[in-house]
Amino acid sequence: SQQGEEDPQALSIQEGENATMNCSYKTSINNLQWYRQNSGRGLVHLILIRSNEREKHSGRLRVTLDTSKKSSSLLITASRAADTASYFCATDPNTDKLIFGTGTRLQVFP
Amino acid sequence: NAGVTQTPKFQVLKTGQSMTLQCAQDMNHNSMYWYRQDPGMGLRLIYYSASEGTTDKGEVPNGYNVSRLNKREFSLRLESAAPSQTSVYFCASSGQVGTDTQYFGPGTRLTVL
Repeated sequence: SQQGEEDPQALSIQEGENATMNCSYKTSINNLQWYRQNSGRGLVHLILIRSNEREKHSGRLRVTLDTSKKSSSLLITASRAADTASYFCATDPNTDKLIFGTGTRLQVFP
Repeated sequence: NAGVTQTPKFQVLKTGQSMTLQCAQDMNHNSMYWYRQDPGMGLRLIYYSASEGTTDKGEVPNGYNVSRLNKREFSLRLESAAPSQTSVYFCASSGQVGTDTQYFGPGTRLTVL
């Protein structure tokens, strides 16, 4: 079974709105990463948050991590049509491998 | 730098045929990975190589073999393709195995008839 699961599975918003997607995981982690995948392309790393961090920012991205709830959220502010993609969280449940979630498909309409 | 490159980009096989997917990285990374991605699912790890000369099974290794040819190259072989292996295959690399950021290739779309 998947270590990380994103919610919602799909999200549609208008340009300028904020997009929030969530990731829940099952076991303790060292860090959690978020990746983006444009249609037909490979994944691109967005941001990494360590288990001892609660919030991290990168440009229009804001990631939070709540280890007590085993959950993380990715907020994209002032979304653009170019943000249309699938977003995946990835965790390292104390192993030497990353485990990817099933992803959130984000559609941003102009 | 090209990053992570994969060949071919597309491939159609008949059941029982064999083929090798090639992957190369020019970032001097120690670790390399092969994933498959099926519709509605995230990436599932097939095999990985923590460092040159080592390979280990991931979540779904059955039906596949790998070779870490040198530090740059990591190939994935399907000895006898099956329709269940129809998928998009991604190669990735990272500085160190585990928690490091992974860099992905563009993928190979494989169809097995």
